[in-house]
Amino acid sequence: KNEVEQSPQNLTAQEGEFITINCSYSVGISALHWLQQHPGGGIVSLFMLSSGKKKHGRLIATINIQEKHSSLHITASHPRDSAVYICAVPDYLLETSGSRLTFGEGTQLTVNP
Amino acid sequence: DTAVSQTPKYLVTQMGNDKSIKCEQNLGHDTMYWYKQDSKKFLKIMFSYNNKELIINETVPNRFSPKSPDKAHLNLHINSLELGDSAVYFCASSQDPGNEQFFGPGTRLTVL
Repeated sequence: KNEVEQSPQNLTAQEGEFITINCSYSVGISALHWLQQHPGGGIVSLFMLSSGKKKHGRLIATINIQEKHSSLHITASHPRDSAVYICAVPDYLLETSGSRLTFGEGTQLTVNP
Repeated sequence: DTAVSQTPKYLVTQMGNDKSIKCEQNLGHDTMYWYKQDSKKFLKIMFSYNNKELIINETVPNRFSPKSPDKAHLNLHINSLELGDSAVYFCASSQDPGNEQFFGPGTRLTVL
């Protein structure tokens, strides 16, 4: 079973700052997910990436498969970016061809105006 | 149109009762999931169905029984509710196992 560690657990930033959230996992994977959970509770998938880098607006996700590490960056952070950011990695189950996600504990980001 | 919907959004009930949470997705996905998010906000898989077949069944009390009448629906029935069942339950779907997952809005279950 994959072990997933995220850091930091809590992060407070001023509007406009560059944010980095890190995720490490223990077992090699084919892809990693980054999710965002809004203060209201809804969960949104931000990225699913298997190599290199992906960009969506001010969000950038990178992954290093060899080092089993991924980072989520937010450029020019804004108070509306305040949320919990969660990374998740799949465990593949050969016996059923199923795949379950193992989640990190999440990073609570607060961006102050 | 909501991609993954759950009902009800809030559920308050007494210990010992039986309740169901419904989930529907209109994305044409083959795989659906139930997750539990505890008070510490930690998400954990409970069940997964692919093409109406159970493919993941984590260590969950057998008071929890998922039912998938068709690929678009995955319902969760809970018997003899206990205080520890209080949590937020999320349904999700993906095109197939391992693909990007789309989450429902969650159902906050409170057992008194």
